[in-house]
Amino acid sequence: EVRLVESGGGLVKPGGSLRLSCAASGFIFNTYVMSWVRQAPGKGLEWVASISAGSSYIHYTDSVKGRFSVSRDNAKNSLYLQMDSLRAEDTAVYYCVKALLRSGSFYLFGHWGQGILVTVSS
Amino acid sequence: DIQVTQSPASLSASVGDRVTITCQASQDISIHLSWHQQKPGKAPKLLIYDASNLETGVPSRFSGSGAGTDFTLTISSLQPEDFATYYCQHYDNLPAFGPGTKVNIK
Repeated sequence: EVRLVESGGGLVKPGGSLRLSCAASGFIFNTYVMSWVRQAPGKGLEWVASISAGSSYIHYTDSVKGRFSVSRDNAKNSLYLQMDSLRAEDTAVYYCVKALLRSGSFYLFGHWGQGILVTVSS
Repeated sequence: DIQVTQSPASLSASVGDRVTITCQASQDISIHLSWHQQKPGKAPKLLIYDASNLETGVPSRFSGSGAGTDFTLTISSLQPEDFATYYCQHYDNLPAFGPGTKVNIK
């Protein structure tokens, strides 16, 4: 069974930093694209970033470029999101997401973690 | 960037009703469209991918159709556990989600 467990969320002041982690199990982690998707309170879903299985290809949504950095440690079956220069509009539940298929689209989201709340407020 | 819109934004229906939600892409995305279901306080769940392929374990009352720019999610006979918000999402290039359709109990 695929399991994705996020951690590292919490309250941070504007301009601050936070690092999210996602522990993956139940599948061969180093063969799947992984992504982060967020959801602001009461709002819809927004793709944030994706990273290929071998970390060769990384993509970000425009609003986080230069501030967020996605990485992975295949030896530890873990995905990370380093978030710097945080803004109030980054407040959201952040989901760790696994691609559905080993090959094919980066962005065919197949399995979601339970999510972790990040609140940016003074 | 390719945008996706959904309609309606919300609907009210009864158990047993047939429900249809539409999604439109701003340009041709072939069949690169998925549908996700989200219940309050829970993570989204993939229902359908490649416009019409049912994800493993998803009940057959859910179906998807369409290609190009126009897509449809149909629930043939609404069940109590289907009251949720449904999002379409394209993955033709950088992904985008539709704004969601909330299915309420009538």
